[in-house]
Amino acid sequence: KAGVTQTPRYLIKTRGQQVTLSCSPISGHRSVSWYQQTPGQGLQFLFEYFSETQRNKGNFPGRFSGRQFSNSRSEMNVSTLELGDSALYLCASVQGQNSYEQYFGPGTRLTVT
Amino acid sequence: GQSLEQPSEVTAVEGAIVQINCTYQTSGFYGLSWYQQHDGGAPTFLSYNGLDGLEETGRFSSFLSRSDSYGYLLLQELQMKDSASYFCAVNRDDKIIFGKGTRLHILP
Repeated sequence: KAGVTQTPRYLIKTRGQQVTLSCSPISGHRSVSWYQQTPGQGLQFLFEYFSETQRNKGNFPGRFSGRQFSNSRSEMNVSTLELGDSALYLCASVQGQNSYEQYFGPGTRLTVT
Repeated sequence: GQSLEQPSEVTAVEGAIVQINCTYQTSGFYGLSWYQQHDGGAPTFLSYNGLDGLEETGRFSSFLSRSDSYGYLLLQELQMKDSASYFCAVNRDDKIIFGKGTRLHILP
Protein backbone atom coordinates (compact mmCIF):
# COMPACT_ATOMS: atom_id res chain seq x y z
CA LYS A 1 0.00 0.00 0.00
CA ALA A 2 1.48 3.37 -0.99
CA GLY A 3 2.22 5.85 1.77
CA VAL A 4 1.12 9.43 2.15
CA THR A 5 2.38 11.59 -0.68
CA GLN A 6 2.85 15.33 -0.74
CA THR A 7 3.58 17.63 -3.62
CA PRO A 8 5.62 19.59 -4.25
CA ARG A 9 8.49 18.55 -1.98
CA TYR A 10 10.22 21.90 -2.14
CA LEU A 11 8.91 25.34 -2.93
CA ILE A 12 10.34 28.85 -2.95
CA LYS A 13 7.94 31.76 -2.94
CA THR A 14 8.15 35.48 -2.51
CA ARG A 15 6.50 37.40 0.28
CA GLY A 16 2.96 38.37 -0.67
CA GLN A 17 2.39 35.44 -3.01
CA GLN A 18 0.11 32.53 -2.34
CA VAL A 19 0.81 28.82 -2.40
CA THR A 20 -1.16 25.58 -2.64
CA LEU A 21 0.16 22.32 -1.25
CA SER A 22 -1.27 18.91 -1.98
CA CYS A 23 -1.57 15.73 0.06
CA SER A 24 -2.77 12.29 -0.99
CA PRO A 25 -3.51 10.03 1.99
CA ILE A 26 -3.03 6.30 2.19
CA SER A 27 -5.73 4.52 0.23
CA GLY A 28 -8.75 3.99 2.45
CA HIS A 29 -7.82 6.70 4.93
CA ARG A 30 -10.48 9.36 5.15
CA SER A 31 -8.98 11.76 7.64
CA VAL A 32 -6.18 14.17 6.77
CA SER A 33 -4.46 16.56 9.17
CA TRP A 34 -2.01 19.31 8.35
CA TYR A 35 0.87 20.50 10.51
CA GLN A 36 3.44 23.24 10.32
CA GLN A 37 6.89 22.32 11.61
CA THR A 38 9.50 24.90 12.48
CA PRO A 39 12.67 24.54 14.59
CA GLY A 40 11.41 26.79 17.32
CA GLN A 41 7.79 25.69 17.58
CA GLY A 42 7.85 22.01 16.72
CA LEU A 43 4.77 20.52 15.09
CA GLN A 44 1.77 22.80 15.20
CA PHE A 45 -1.68 21.62 14.19
CA LEU A 46 -3.27 23.54 11.33
CA PHE A 47 -6.52 21.70 10.56
CA GLU A 48 -8.11 18.33 10.06
CA TYR A 49 -10.48 17.13 7.38
CA PHE A 50 -12.71 14.11 7.41
CA SER A 51 -15.05 13.20 4.58
CA GLU A 52 -14.58 16.60 2.93
CA THR A 53 -15.48 18.49 6.12
CA GLN A 54 -13.12 20.48 8.29
CA ARG A 55 -13.51 18.96 11.73
CA ASN A 56 -10.92 20.89 13.69
CA LYS A 57 -8.77 23.94 13.26
CA GLY A 58 -5.64 25.14 15.02
CA ASN A 59 -4.67 28.66 16.00
CA PHE A 60 -3.52 29.98 12.65
CA PRO A 61 -4.68 33.12 10.85
CA GLY A 62 -7.29 32.98 8.13
CA ARG A 63 -4.56 33.14 5.50
CA PHE A 64 -4.24 29.41 6.05
CA SER A 65 -7.05 27.40 4.55
CA GLY A 66 -7.65 23.93 3.27
CA ARG A 67 -10.08 21.59 1.68
CA GLN A 68 -10.60 17.91 1.05
CA PHE A 69 -11.93 16.26 -2.06
CA SER A 70 -14.24 13.28 -2.42
CA ASN A 71 -11.24 10.99 -3.02
CA SER A 72 -9.80 12.14 0.35
CA ARG A 73 -6.99 14.10 -1.27
CA SER A 74 -6.45 17.37 0.50
CA GLU A 75 -4.98 20.74 -0.31
CA MET A 76 -3.90 23.59 1.87
CA ASN A 77 -3.52 27.15 0.73
CA VAL A 78 -1.58 29.99 2.25
CA SER A 79 -2.31 33.45 0.92
CA THR A 80 -0.26 36.61 1.28
CA LEU A 81 2.83 34.74 2.32
CA GLU A 82 5.02 36.10 5.08
CA LEU A 83 8.64 35.32 5.86
CA GLY A 84 7.50 33.52 9.02
CA ASP A 85 5.55 31.03 6.94
CA SER A 86 8.80 29.36 5.93
CA ALA A 87 8.48 25.87 7.37
CA LEU A 88 8.03 22.21 6.67
CA TYR A 89 4.35 21.48 6.06
CA LEU A 90 3.37 17.95 6.91
CA CYS A 91 0.17 16.14 6.28
CA ALA A 92 -0.89 12.98 8.06
CA SER A 93 -3.65 10.52 7.42
CA VAL A 94 -5.44 8.16 9.74
CA GLN A 95 -7.61 5.22 8.92
CA GLY A 96 -10.66 5.86 11.06
CA GLN A 97 -12.39 8.84 12.51
CA ASN A 98 -10.77 8.53 15.92
CA SER A 99 -7.63 6.57 15.22
CA TYR A 100 -4.57 7.61 17.14
CA GLU A 101 -1.90 6.37 14.75
CA GLN A 102 -1.08 8.99 12.18
CA TYR A 103 0.87 8.29 9.02
CA PHE A 104 2.89 11.27 7.90
CA GLY A 105 3.92 12.26 4.43
CA PRO A 106 7.45 13.49 3.65
CA GLY A 107 6.37 17.11 3.84
CA THR A 108 6.67 20.18 1.66
CA ARG A 109 9.57 22.47 2.49
CA LEU A 110 8.34 26.03 1.87
CA THR A 111 10.81 28.89 1.79
CA VAL A 112 9.48 32.44 1.63
CA THR A 113 11.93 35.12 0.54
CA GLY B 1 -4.45 26.22 28.82
CA GLN B 2 -2.68 23.30 27.30
CA SER B 3 0.99 22.44 27.17
CA LEU B 4 3.42 19.59 26.83
CA GLU B 5 6.88 19.65 28.30
CA GLN B 6 9.74 17.41 27.25
CA PRO B 7 13.51 17.95 27.43
CA SER B 8 14.97 19.61 24.37
CA GLU B 9 18.01 17.32 24.24
CA VAL B 10 19.20 14.06 25.77
CA THR B 11 22.55 12.33 25.29
CA ALA B 12 23.20 8.63 25.88
CA VAL B 13 25.75 5.98 25.03
CA GLU B 14 25.28 3.23 22.48
CA GLY B 15 23.98 0.10 24.12
CA ALA B 16 22.60 1.96 27.13
CA ILE B 17 19.03 2.79 28.18
CA VAL B 18 17.50 6.25 27.97
CA GLN B 19 14.20 7.66 29.20
CA ILE B 20 12.51 10.68 27.64
CA ASN B 21 9.91 12.28 29.88
CA CYS B 22 6.80 14.14 28.90
CA THR B 23 4.45 16.08 31.15
CA TYR B 24 1.23 17.54 29.88
CA GLN B 25 -1.53 19.86 30.87
CA THR B 26 -4.59 19.69 28.70
CA SER B 27 -8.31 19.16 28.68
CA GLY B 28 -10.10 16.46 26.75
CA PHE B 29 -7.16 14.09 27.07
CA TYR B 30 -7.63 10.48 26.10
CA GLY B 31 -4.16 9.19 25.25
CA LEU B 32 -0.45 9.85 24.78
CA SER B 33 1.47 9.00 21.61
CA TRP B 34 5.14 8.99 20.72
CA TYR B 35 6.69 9.68 17.33
CA GLN B 36 10.23 9.45 16.02
CA GLN B 37 11.63 11.77 13.39
CA HIS B 38 15.04 11.45 11.76
CA ASP B 39 16.67 14.50 10.22
CA GLY B 40 15.04 15.22 6.90
CA GLY B 41 12.40 12.58 7.44
CA ALA B 42 8.76 12.42 8.38
CA PRO B 43 7.55 11.62 11.89
CA THR B 44 6.76 7.94 12.34
CA PHE B 45 4.46 6.50 14.96
CA LEU B 46 6.12 4.57 17.80
CA SER B 47 3.54 3.89 20.46
CA TYR B 48 0.28 4.88 22.09
CA ASN B 49 -0.91 4.73 25.69
CA GLY B 50 -4.64 5.01 26.19
CA LEU B 51 -4.52 3.50 29.65
CA ASP B 52 -2.14 3.88 32.58
CA GLY B 53 0.82 1.58 32.57
CA LEU B 54 3.57 0.32 30.36
CA GLU B 55 3.33 -0.60 26.69
CA GLU B 56 6.24 -2.51 25.20
CA THR B 57 7.19 -2.75 21.54
CA GLY B 58 10.55 -4.39 21.07
CA ARG B 59 13.33 -2.16 22.37
CA PHE B 60 10.89 0.70 22.95
CA SER B 61 8.47 1.03 25.85
CA SER B 62 6.11 3.82 26.76
CA PHE B 63 4.47 4.61 30.07
CA LEU B 64 1.52 6.74 31.09
CA SER B 65 0.25 7.96 34.46
CA ARG B 66 -2.95 9.93 34.04
CA SER B 67 -3.04 10.95 37.70
CA ASP B 68 0.39 12.54 37.34
CA SER B 69 -0.21 13.86 33.78
CA TYR B 70 3.09 12.24 32.94
CA GLY B 71 4.49 9.79 30.50
CA TYR B 72 7.82 8.59 29.22
CA LEU B 73 9.43 6.76 26.36
CA LEU B 74 12.09 4.22 27.26
CA LEU B 75 14.62 3.13 24.67
CA GLN B 76 16.77 0.10 25.47
CA GLU B 77 19.93 -1.27 23.86
CA LEU B 78 20.47 2.03 22.10
CA GLN B 79 21.74 1.91 18.56
CA MET B 80 23.27 4.71 16.52
CA LYS B 81 20.22 4.64 14.25
CA ASP B 82 18.10 5.73 17.24
CA SER B 83 19.65 9.20 16.94
CA ALA B 84 16.59 11.27 16.10
CA SER B 85 14.01 13.61 17.57
CA TYR B 86 11.24 12.13 19.66
CA PHE B 87 7.87 13.81 20.10
CA CYS B 88 5.23 13.10 22.65
CA ALA B 89 1.72 13.97 21.55
CA VAL B 90 -1.49 14.33 23.46
CA ASN B 91 -4.50 12.79 21.77
CA ARG B 92 -7.52 14.89 22.54
CA ASP B 93 -11.05 14.47 21.42
CA ASP B 94 -10.62 17.17 18.80
CA LYS B 95 -6.98 17.06 17.74
CA ILE B 96 -3.47 15.87 18.47
CA ILE B 97 -1.10 18.30 20.17
CA PHE B 98 2.62 17.66 19.82
CA GLY B 99 5.43 18.59 22.17
CA LYS B 100 8.41 20.45 20.77
CA GLY B 101 10.48 17.30 20.63
CA THR B 102 13.55 15.84 22.31
CA ARG B 103 16.71 15.53 20.31
CA LEU B 104 18.45 12.25 21.22
CA HIS B 105 22.22 12.17 20.71
CA ILE B 106 23.92 8.80 20.91
CA LEU B 107 27.62 8.52 21.61
CA PRO B 108 29.61 5.50 20.39
